[in-house]
Order: sequence, then C-alpha cells, then structure tokens
Amino acid sequence: GAGVSQTPSNKVTEKGKYVELRCDPISGHTALYWYRQSLGQGPEFLIYFQGTGAADDSGLPNDRFFAVRPEGSVSTLKIQRTERGDSAVYLCASRPGNSGANVLTFGAGSRLTVL
Amino acid sequence: AQSVTQLGSHVSVSEGALVLLRCNYSSSVPPYLFWYVQYPNQGLQLLLKYTTGATLVKGINGFEAEFKKSETSFHLTKPSAHMSDAAEYFCAVSGNTGGFKTIFGAGTRLFVKA
Repeated sequence: GAGVSQTPSNKVTEKGKYVELRCDPISGHTALYWYRQSLGQGPEFLIYFQGTGAADDSGLPNDRFFAVRPEGSVSTLKIQRTERGDSAVYLCASRPGNSGANVLTFGAGSRLTVL
Repeated sequence: AQSVTQLGSHVSVSEGALVLLRCNYSSSVPPYLFWYVQYPNQGLQLLLKYTTGATLVKGINGFEAEFKKSETSFHLTKPSAHMSDAAEYFCAVSGNTGGFKTIFGAGTRLFVKA
C-alpha cells in the first residue's frame, strides 16, 4: 500500500480481555517495528521484525505481549489479559532493507483503552 | 546499547525567535540520528537525519541539526519560529551495525507565541 495502515484506529476493552492490533506495512518494506506511546512520552520500542522473524523483541514488557509476522508483510500485536496500564497508542512503522539509516514510516496508530 | 536524552519537555518561543531543541545520545556504535515531528492529531514524520558525511544536516521547513561527536549531541535549530512549528519533536538514534532498532527520546513540545 501507499502508507502504513493500522487497524483498529481505536479499541476500548475491559481489563482481562484479549486484544489484537494489526499493521499493514508499505509494500516491499522488509523491516517492521512496533512501538508504544503513552501520553506525554516518546515512542517506546517493543519489537522489530526483519522479514518473518523477530530480530529484536527486547522491548516487549512481559509475556502477555506477543507479535507475529507470518508471511513477512502484515503483522499482528497480541496482548493477553489486558491491564489498565496497557492503555496507550500502539504505533507501527516500516522501512526498506536492513539498515539503521533508513527512515521509518509510521502508521497513524491504534489507540487502546483498557477500562 | 543506545539511548536518547532530550533536555526540556516543553520549550516556548515567540514567533520569529530562534528555536533550539536539545538532544544528547548514547551509542556503543557509530550512530544514525534522526529528528521526527508529530503535529497535533497526526502521525510521526521525518524532519531530518544524519547518517554519514556532512555533520550539519538540513531538513524540511527550515530546520537543521548538527552532529557533534565530541559532545554526543544532535541539537535541532531553526532561525525563525513560525506558528505552524508548534508540535512535538522527537530525537531518535539507530545503530549502523548489529541491531537496527531505533530508540526515541521522550520528546519536546514546542509552543510558539504570537
């Protein structure tokens, strides 16, 4: 696609529920990143994929968070047993190739609210 | 490991005044450095980046930044602020070897007074 697409744009759920957030990167971009942005904070790195594999998942806060990218394009961030502290905007970004010099293109984000 | 520190969570300037947003980084490998901007209700977009070569880089909307290795800094400047510059600005660092995750600072919100 022309840009990075994230769905849903807004998700309200109850504490303890399971949530999936989807990211469709720019076509041909091999690297895909997930960040979490809380109010008044910068994007916090969660995980990044190079192709289908997670190249670095050191930012995932605990084992309730998991992400997949089975075919090397669309990625899903999965959050189990949601907690109120998980409320944030979840950002997806992609970039071409395997270089830190390449610019990240961000999606508009998925705003998650856990009641 | 990499990290970014942005000095000042809020900066307020008058229209026409100099804008200076400070960023210091830590990196165990030669860094790539970026400034991103987030306008209200919009996504993050790139302002400028430093990879190699000239240490003074120019970006969109009249912004520029200078990479100073000795000071581990990458401060963002604009000679004359415009009302439309009001936004949140994020400094970011990425490595050029090993892992390529990009780490962001906490951000600086710029207010421009008429």
